[in-house]
Amino acid sequence: GQNIDQPTEMTATEGAIVQINCTYQTSGFNGLFWYQQHAGEAPTFLSYNVLDGLEEKGRFSSFLSRSKGYSYLLLKELQMKDSASYLCAVKAGYQKVTFGTGTKLQVIP
Amino acid sequence: DTGVSQNPRHKITKRGQNVTFRCDPISEHNRLYWYRQTLGQGPEFLTYFQNEAQLEKSRLLSDRFSAERPKGSFSTLEIQRTEQGDSAMYLCASSLRGTGTGIGTQYFGPGTRLLVL
Repeated sequence: GQNIDQPTEMTATEGAIVQINCTYQTSGFNGLFWYQQHAGEAPTFLSYNVLDGLEEKGRFSSFLSRSKGYSYLLLKELQMKDSASYLCAVKAGYQKVTFGTGTKLQVIP
Repeated sequence: DTGVSQNPRHKITKRGQNVTFRCDPISEHNRLYWYRQTLGQGPEFLTYFQNEAQLEKSRLLSDRFSAERPKGSFSTLEIQRTEQGDSAMYLCASSLRGTGTGIGTQYFGPGTRLLVL
């Protein structure tokens, strides 16, 4: 089976930087995804990491360490619209993707 | 619109009734997934198709749940004899089979929110 842990809630200030951590335990690791989900809406794809290191995409970056079973999502220059849940999801084998429970981020002025 | 679409967006039904949801994936995507999400939780995998073949089914999916993808394009998810515990958001996602960075990334539809009274 798989086990994915991420903080339940975080609060950060507009304009600041926030790091959302995700740890996982799985066999047959084949990639890690980050999704953003606003309340009442579907998840939208943010990033995908399959090799160790940092992937940067605009204000969002995602890091992976396979040996540590660890990833983080880094959000820079926070905006109010970044208030959402951030889901870490792990792919094992060829298809099965398991989602964490999500981290609810609140951006305050 | 070239994204994943789902219908209906909302469904209210009485316990014991049957309901059916439809998902239209991104046109070139050959893989289609169904998930269920309850408040405060991440999406839970239910089943997935590659073309018209249903390749995996979660143990969460009781005998009251059935999914089809008859022509390898759109899919339907039916819940028979609904129970109050079936109340949730039902999400559909699609992806492209292949190799390369980002291939296999799942793109989600807007979901169908089911309320069983």
